[in-house]
Amino acid sequence: ETGVTQTPRHLVMGMTNKKSLKCEQHLGHNAMYWYKQSAKKPLELMFVYSLEERVENNSVPSRFSPECPNSSHLFLHLHTLQPEDSALYLCASSQEISGDPYGYTFGSGTRLTVV
Amino acid sequence: GEDVEQSLFLSVREGDSSVINCTYTDSSSTYLYWYKQEPGAGLQLLTYIFSNMDMKQDQRLTVLLNKKDKHLSLRIADTQTGDSAIYFCAEVTPYGNKLVFGAGTILRVKS
Repeated sequence: ETGVTQTPRHLVMGMTNKKSLKCEQHLGHNAMYWYKQSAKKPLELMFVYSLEERVENNSVPSRFSPECPNSSHLFLHLHTLQPEDSALYLCASSQEISGDPYGYTFGSGTRLTVV
Repeated sequence: GEDVEQSLFLSVREGDSSVINCTYTDSSSTYLYWYKQEPGAGLQLLTYIFSNMDMKQDQRLTVLLNKKDKHLSLRIADTQTGDSAIYFCAEVTPYGNKLVFGAGTILRVKS
């Protein structure tokens, strides 16, 4: 375990379903992130939270809805997804949102398949 | 703008050296990173280099930074089958306040 735990590891959902991805860190980090990893494409930053406040939303469709109830937990609520949303969703945390020598700590990701 | 580019695939024989290259566009980048992703896992920080350095060595890993050409490379000496993974180059800028990744280079090590 890297210190950032993501559940579930795998998720298959229909286009009409509602599901949530969960991310948890107990590293004392103040910033948390959602990334989308699709094959042969750069990691796409989706959302950034700092001290439980959303500080960045990179033009993500509203069918993805993040929630950060406290600095240790981050959720990504999913509803009416499309097949092209199938990807590996990675959560990461860092001490602060500005660059630091140690970068980010990533979770193992949730492999999402939309059918 | 911020853009990081890498070649998609590299194949080497076990025991050889691997060199993975990366180019970036933001000259104000303060730190540049190399991350490794093994199958079924998240990204793991391998090493980083501060922008005022041109080389950093850490055991089998050597990072070279050419700021003039905005070129970063990762050399893995004596490559092992366990080094097979996807390697991501990333930059962070003080203004962007975020990590920007390349698409990753798949390293395949043949025994």
